Amino acid sequence: KAGVTQTPRYLIKTRGQQVTLSCSPISGHRSVSWYQQTPGQGLQFLFEYFSETQRNKGNFPGRFSGRQFSNSRSEMNVSTLELGDSALYLCASSLVLGESSYEQYFGPGTRLTVT
Amino acid sequence: GQNIDQPTEMTATEGAIVQINCTYQTSGFNGLFWYQQHAGEAPTFLSYNVLDGLEEKGRFSSFLSRSKGYSYLLLKELQMKDSASYLCAVRDKGDSWGKLQFGAGTQVVVTP
Repeated sequence: KAGVTQTPRYLIKTRGQQVTLSCSPISGHRSVSWYQQTPGQGLQFLFEYFSETQRNKGNFPGRFSGRQFSNSRSEMNVSTLELGDSALYLCASSLVLGESSYEQYFGPGTRLTVT
Repeated sequence: GQNIDQPTEMTATEGAIVQINCTYQTSGFNGLFWYQQHAGEAPTFLSYNVLDGLEEKGRFSSFLSRSKGYSYLLLKELQMKDSASYLCAVRDKGDSWGKLQFGAGTQVVVTP
């Protein structure tokens, strides 16, 4: 079974630009979560999507947004990039059966550098 | 929200045992996870505890005490490849399934 895939793996952008990152979950997984990882702040939750609906959002400014498509693939967008947005962006998917969810499987991440 | 505390770094010798502690404070609790993350790679799932007690999986075991807000990950028969960061993460009862709060991670260094 293929794992979580993320594209692109590396990205260099300039301050003020915008960026879109993509995540394809494991087949059958309908819950997709996004995290930002930096050396100073560690892993921080950005948002979670399930059945094309945002179920939860972390403490990030409105410049960070996301969506999920009917095939469970998800994208996140960051507008008006700032230097502090440089980070590893990780996507995780999990299986949901009824009201039970299981462990999250992480993708390899997208390394975003803002110059 | 949660406060999740774990030691910053631990060093141990190949073949030894290391115990990584994690304490948390939460308004509600719905599961604790341990992940391993090698430098430059994504976190990989190790264990999940939602009830009190010990879960054993090969060389790795995880323990939970909900009343004490405490968990530990036990790594036995350490191997060089176990050198990595170990992340403790908690799911709050009021949160959706996919929202985990992570600790800062414990860097384990295994020496020959």
